[in-house]
Amino acid sequence: AQSVAQPEDQVNVAEGNPLTVKCTYSVSGNPYLFWYVQYPNRGLQFLLKYITGDNLVKGSYGFEAEFNKSQTSFHLKKPSALVSDSALYFCAVRDRGNNDMRFGAGTRLTVKP
Amino acid sequence: NAGVMQNPRHLVRRRGQEARLRCSPMKGHSHVYWYRQLPEEGLKFMVYLQKENIIDESGMPKERFSAEFPKEGPSILRIQQVVRGDSAAYFCASSLGQGSSYEQYFGPGTRLTVT
Repeated sequence: AQSVAQPEDQVNVAEGNPLTVKCTYSVSGNPYLFWYVQYPNRGLQFLLKYITGDNLVKGSYGFEAEFNKSQTSFHLKKPSALVSDSALYFCAVRDRGNNDMRFGAGTRLTVKP
Repeated sequence: NAGVMQNPRHLVRRRGQEARLRCSPMKGHSHVYWYRQLPEEGLKFMVYLQKENIIDESGMPKERFSAEFPKEGPSILRIQQVVRGDSAAYFCASSLGQGSSYEQYFGPGTRLTVT
């Protein structure tokens, strides 16, 4: 079985401050982990993924995420938030060999000027 | 290079009617996924198709829902005899390969409203 949890419904940060959006996962094997962003009335846009190798993954728009196997976490981070980063962020996990990708419930990020 | 295309973007149906949602994957992609998103919720996997084959429909309701991806043309998600609970955003995604490591690229979604 595979599942993913995003413990925060909402994250608020001030522009220029670092941001973290949390994600924890549960899989029976080795996971593939993904982050997507959704803007209002739009589809999801791929940000980054962890497959194997370096635990720190860099993605689009200055975002990065750190895979932590012992804590089963894959938190999304950005050193300096922009107002335009305000959106809904989804973490997703896929167990190797599975067709279905499990999404978290989403975290709404609001960056205030 | 066009992304994943979905149409219509908005669809209104009365209870009991049929809804047909279309998805054209990114150029070169032959793997299509359908998801449903209820308001303020994450996406729920419905079905995974390759050309002319349903690979995994474990997330699809057993009745009234069907999907196809013909050799020519877009993938179709069909909902017969719609009910109010079918109101949701339906997203299609495509990927380049079959492996679990391939990221999926999403279309803009079709928002179905059942009145």
